[in-house]
Amino acid sequence: KQEVTQIPAALSVPEGENLVLNCSFTDSAIYNLQWFRQDPGKGLTSLLLIQSSQREQTSGRLNASLDKSSGRSTLYIAASQPGDSATYLCAVKATGGGYQKVTFGTGTKLQVIP
Amino acid sequence: EAQVTQNPRYLITVTGKKLTVTCSQNMNHEYMSWYRQDPGLGLRQIYYSMNVEVTDKGDVPEGYKVSRKEKRNFPLILESPSPNQTSLYFCASSPRFVPEEDTEAFFGQGTRLTVV
Repeated sequence: KQEVTQIPAALSVPEGENLVLNCSFTDSAIYNLQWFRQDPGKGLTSLLLIQSSQREQTSGRLNASLDKSSGRSTLYIAASQPGDSATYLCAVKATGGGYQKVTFGTGTKLQVIP
Repeated sequence: EAQVTQNPRYLITVTGKKLTVTCSQNMNHEYMSWYRQDPGLGLRQIYYSMNVEVTDKGDVPEGYKVSRKEKRNFPLILESPSPNQTSLYFCASSPRFVPEEDTEAFFGQGTRLTVV
């Protein structure tokens, strides 16, 4: 059974810092990995999707990397801003034998202090 | 506007009273799924559907039913709700999985269910 872990569970940084969020998964037979942000009381907003054959994806100040063989992904946030404060979730999609299951990590709660 | 719409957003009900949470998407996506989110446990997949009339269990299907009679709708049914089903529920949709193509998932705004 796939297990996805995110470390740290919470992170507080001053504005302007660069930071890295980690996501690890136990079964490397994944098809893609997606990073989301979730604001309190809100739904999930997709940030980046990485296919299993890709090493990284970039969008603005965000860069996500994927090392499938070691079961790890990182989300790099450059020059953090208070508006980046949210919970960040990673999710892996695995498929095989006719199924397509998605497993989420428990998230990293980020606070960026002005 | 591309979106996933869940209704209701908030619901308080009593144990044993059947309820349905609706989910509709306007992106012609094949794949739809339901999750519940609980403190300390994160999001866990309840059921998913790869296309019309094709549904399968996720990691926590007990106590839930789903149906997929049309592509755009994927309702979640609680036949006899219990207090341990109090949770925040999310519906999501994405295109049919194709290797090397973007199949980004879109989420609804969530339904906060309380069973007393």
